Amino acid sequence: DGGITQSPKYLFRKEGQNVTLSCEQNLNHDAMYWYRQDPGQGLRLIYYSQIVNDFQKGDIAEGYSVSREKKESFPLTVTSAQKNPTAFYLCASTPARGTEAFFGQGTRLTVV
Amino acid sequence: AQKITQTQPGMFVQEKEAVTLDCTYDTSDPSYGLFWYKQPSSGEMIFLIYQGSYDQQNATEGRYSLNFQKARKSANLVISASQLGDSAMYFCAMREGPGANSKLTFGKGITLSVRP
Repeated sequence: DGGITQSPKYLFRKEGQNVTLSCEQNLNHDAMYWYRQDPGQGLRLIYYSQIVNDFQKGDIAEGYSVSREKKESFPLTVTSAQKNPTAFYLCASTPARGTEAFFGQGTRLTVV
Repeated sequence: AQKITQTQPGMFVQEKEAVTLDCTYDTSDPSYGLFWYKQPSSGEMIFLIYQGSYDQQNATEGRYSLNFQKARKSANLVISASQLGDSAMYFCAMREGPGANSKLTFGKGITLSVRP
């Protein structure tokens, strides 16, 4: 079945550590996105990518980094520079002229 | 300026009644798309409906319809015959332009509670 897979579902990180969240899609979509969601809040865009080897900063990119070496994969690294990383992270993808954005199940990151 | 505005703090509706969730947007791009998503407590994002800026008719998907008023830049979601399972958070989103820098922006969301 086609879709987007995010892993892990739950992630715990110690302060000062970098951590990488995985996002893989087999939908052959061109565009991929990372969002952060805090409790009771909307989705804020971290990074997005329209093509391989190219990506743009969203509204809250500080403390995060991404790569897009393959069309199917768009991993997000939460660095130690991110002051408040505890949140729910969602990955999405769309075709080039898509009328729907498909989402993964999300990763809940907690800093301990 | 916010691209997507959802100002209703929380909505309540009686089961089987209709409810309208408001969304206004801001863009100067003539080509854009508007989306509505439902997010239940499990956290998954469920796609509900899409409206393209050049679409002549309002989009409909089952019990969901989108009241698209282009001149007013509003894209309200109408849910008919509400069900208990409709209780969730609802997000309006916009994708601007077809180009390489096209991005998908979400509003802050509206919580809908359906009363039995």
